[in-house]
Amino acid sequence: DAGVIQSPRHEVTEMGQEVTLRCKPISGHDYLFWYRQTMMRGLELLIYFNNNVPIDDSGMPEDRFSAKMPNASFSTLKIQPSEPRDSAVYFCASSSRPDRGSNQPQHFGDGTRLSIL
Amino acid sequence: GQSLEQPSEVTAVEGAIVQINCTYQTSGFYGLSWYQQHDGGAPTFLSYNGLDGLEETGRFSSFLSRSDSYGYLLLQELQMKDSASYFCAVRVHSGSARQLTFGSGTQLTVLP
Repeated sequence: DAGVIQSPRHEVTEMGQEVTLRCKPISGHDYLFWYRQTMMRGLELLIYFNNNVPIDDSGMPEDRFSAKMPNASFSTLKIQPSEPRDSAVYFCASSSRPDRGSNQPQHFGDGTRLSIL
Repeated sequence: GQSLEQPSEVTAVEGAIVQINCTYQTSGFYGLSWYQQHDGGAPTFLSYNGLDGLEETGRFSSFLSRSDSYGYLLLQELQMKDSASYFCAVRVHSGSARQLTFGSGTQLTVLP
């Protein structure tokens, strides 16, 4: 079975440019999460969706960041305009709905390594 | 909000046993998960504790004490390939939320 697929794997761009990161969750998973990982701040949840609806975007750092999930098999994280401090590894993860008392682990994609020059 | 504490680094030798502790402070606690991440790779799920006690999965075990807000990951018969970062993560419940908050990670180095 295919796992979570992210693209691109690497992105290098100049500050001020728009950056779009893409994610295809595992089929049948109805939760999708976007994380950012840096040495300083670790693994931070940016936003997550349930059944394509954004549930909690309190982790989105500022208005330059936006995320969409137009359908169950695709999500984007967009940064516009990008800044050097946005350089990080961005992970997408998906999970199915956990029953009460049980757990459904999050399955992570391989991430996008983003460098803003 | 949530906060988690775990050691930043642990070193052990092949074949040994190592325990990585995690203490947490959170509201709406639902369970404690452990993830492994090799350099440059994706975090992968290892174990979950929703109830107090020990969960065993092969060479890895995880323990939870809800009353102490404490858990640990136990790795036995260490192998070189176990060198990685290990993250504890609290699963919190808020409304329909099922989100994870990750600790800062413990870098495990296994020496020959």
